Amino acid sequence: AQSVTQLGSHVSVSEGALVLLRCNYSSSVPPYLFWYVQYPNQGLQLLLKYTTGATLVKGINGFEAEFKKSETSFHLTKPSAHMSDAAEYFCAVNRGGSASKIIFGSGTRLSIRP
Amino acid sequence: DAGVIQSPRHEVTEMGQEVTLRCKPISGHNSLFWYRQTMMRGLELLIYFNNNVPIDDSGMPEDRFSAKMPNASFSTLKIQPSEPRDSAVYFCASSQTDRADYGYTFGSGTRLTVV
Repeated sequence: AQSVTQLGSHVSVSEGALVLLRCNYSSSVPPYLFWYVQYPNQGLQLLLKYTTGATLVKGINGFEAEFKKSETSFHLTKPSAHMSDAAEYFCAVNRGGSASKIIFGSGTRLSIRP
Repeated sequence: DAGVIQSPRHEVTEMGQEVTLRCKPISGHNSLFWYRQTMMRGLELLIYFNNNVPIDDSGMPEDRFSAKMPNASFSTLKIQPSEPRDSAVYFCASSQTDRADYGYTFGSGTRLTVV
């Protein structure tokens, strides 16, 4: 069975500081990995994804994530936080077979301090 | 592209009433998903359609819930009769393929409150 764990339900950083949101997955085979962002009163928006190839993937709004197979991790980072980054972030994993087999993490709420 | 369009954005109804949520997927997308989001349970997949055919409805809570996709551009999720525990945000999402390495495009959701 596959699952995804997001460490920390709430992360708070200062504007301009590094953003690090943690995601670990469990899967018997290398999965497809996703990060989604949800702004207040909106649906989820795909930030980035890892499928194959380069393990460092870049997404929208300056975010990037690195797939580390040895650590079963897919942490999301951004060098310098902006107030507009305040949102809920979801890590998701799909082992394959169908798009419907995606499993979402419980989410991490990111707050930005002025 | 207008994205995935859901209506209504907010719905408040009394217990026992029928509720119908609507979704228009992105043109050309052949996979459609209905999700429910609550604080307690997070995101739950309710039902998945591929080429207008229900493929997996194992997440539908009970017989009070039903979903249809009469054509490629429209889907409905119906709750009858509604109960307070159905209060949640319901999302529709679509994807251009059934492939596992593709992501979804979500609508803005319908916030349902059953009183």
